[in-house]
This record gives sequence, structure tokens and C-alpha cells, in this order.
Amino acid sequence: DIVMTQSPDSLAVSLGERATINCKSSQSVLYSSNNQNYLAWYQQKPGQPPKMLIYWASTRESGVPDRFSGSGSGTDFTLTISSLQAEDVAVYYCQQYYTTPLTFGGGTEVEIK
Amino acid sequence: EVQLVESGGGLVQPGGSLRLSCAASGFTFSNYAMSWVRQAPGRGLEWVSSISGSGGSSYYADSVKGRFTISRDNSKNTLYTLMNSLRAEDTAVYYCAKGGTDYYYMDVWGKGTTVSVSS
Repeated sequence: DIVMTQSPDSLAVSLGERATINCKSSQSVLYSSNNQNYLAWYQQKPGQPPKMLIYWASTRESGVPDRFSGSGSGTDFTLTISSLQAEDVAVYYCQQYYTTPLTFGGGTEVEIK
Repeated sequence: EVQLVESGGGLVQPGGSLRLSCAASGFTFSNYAMSWVRQAPGRGLEWVSSISGSGGSSYYADSVKGRFTISRDNSKNTLYTLMNSLRAEDTAVYYCAKGGTDYYYMDVWGKGTTVSVSS
């Protein structure tokens, strides 16, 4: 199974500042035949279902603000919120869809400092 | 508007069974993979099972293999999961989620249905 490890578990960031979340997979999720990383990021606000933000490691889902960006390749990935807004308070998860079992990271809770 | 609505959750005794449904609308259901993901109280997301658009391929987490069965009725735009031999550790909110045509990311989620397994 591919283990997804997120860091940190939580972080507190001032409004307007940058938030960076890391996700590391235990093996590469880069598929050589199409050069795509099978990695997605989700946001879950309290009492709500998750919402997909990013897929293919760096492709922003339609309607997602451009302050959210994804980067990385192979086994190391980053979700960056360039200027934290109050509505970004949530838990963020990474997920690999390279192979089954599909696996999620443990989540990173983002709050306002 | 793409929409997923789960139903069928409830309280069940250990060893019991339950069938969850997920009604889909707003997209060509048969073209897309679908998944079930659960979240135990206060915990993170756990993938449960997935099925291809045609229904010809299905995949399960080890924790539910042999007990849960995922299926779909493309004529009714509905996803199902039959859960047998339920255990306390199956207690969770169960979400259905839409994937890509051949990819198992989850771009649309339902609001979830709660399953509680307790005597």
C-alpha cells in the first residue's frame, strides 16, 4: 500500500500570510506513460464533505481560488495557500489515485493565528 | 448541477447489514468511476471502495473486503454499497464521490449518510 504522510499535523497562519502543507508518498505516484502525478488535494470545512481543490498534483479544480496551488512530483508534494483568508480554515488532505488501495494523508488542520 | 445524494444510513446492531444508495444527477453517470469514502467520528478520510463507470471493475479496502459489495445501476443513475457483518469500527459518515472517466480522484462529493453500529 502507498502510505501518504502529511506535515505538519496543524498550523496557525496569520491572515494574508502563506500556508504550506507537505505530503509525502511512500512510493512514486508519477505514471511514466503520461508523465502525470496521481495526486489530489481536498479541503474539508467543519460539518461539510470534502471538496477537491487540486488534481494531477497541480491542476486547480474549476472555481477554486488561485491562491491555492499544488506542486511537486514523484513522492514529494506541496499545497500552498498564498494569502490565507478566514474562509480557508479547514482540514486539508492529500490522496493518491495511482493505485488501489486509494490512500489519504492524515490531514493538516489550518487555523488563523 | 452535478449532485450526489446518499441515503440508507442508520443504527444497526453488530453483525447486521445495511444498504447505502447514492443518487446521482447532472452528469452522464455511466461515464464516470464512483467511490465510497468514510469518516469515523473525529477521524480522517478512509477510502472504502470504488467501481468503474461500466461496473465491470470494483476495488475494496482490506478492512471491508468480503463484507461490503459496491455496485451501480447505470439505468437509474444510482450507486450502492451493501454492507454485511457490520462491526463497531464501521461506524462513520459514508460519502459517495464521483471520479474521473478512468481515474479515481474524487471531484464531487455527496453530503454523506451516517452509519452507527452498536448494540
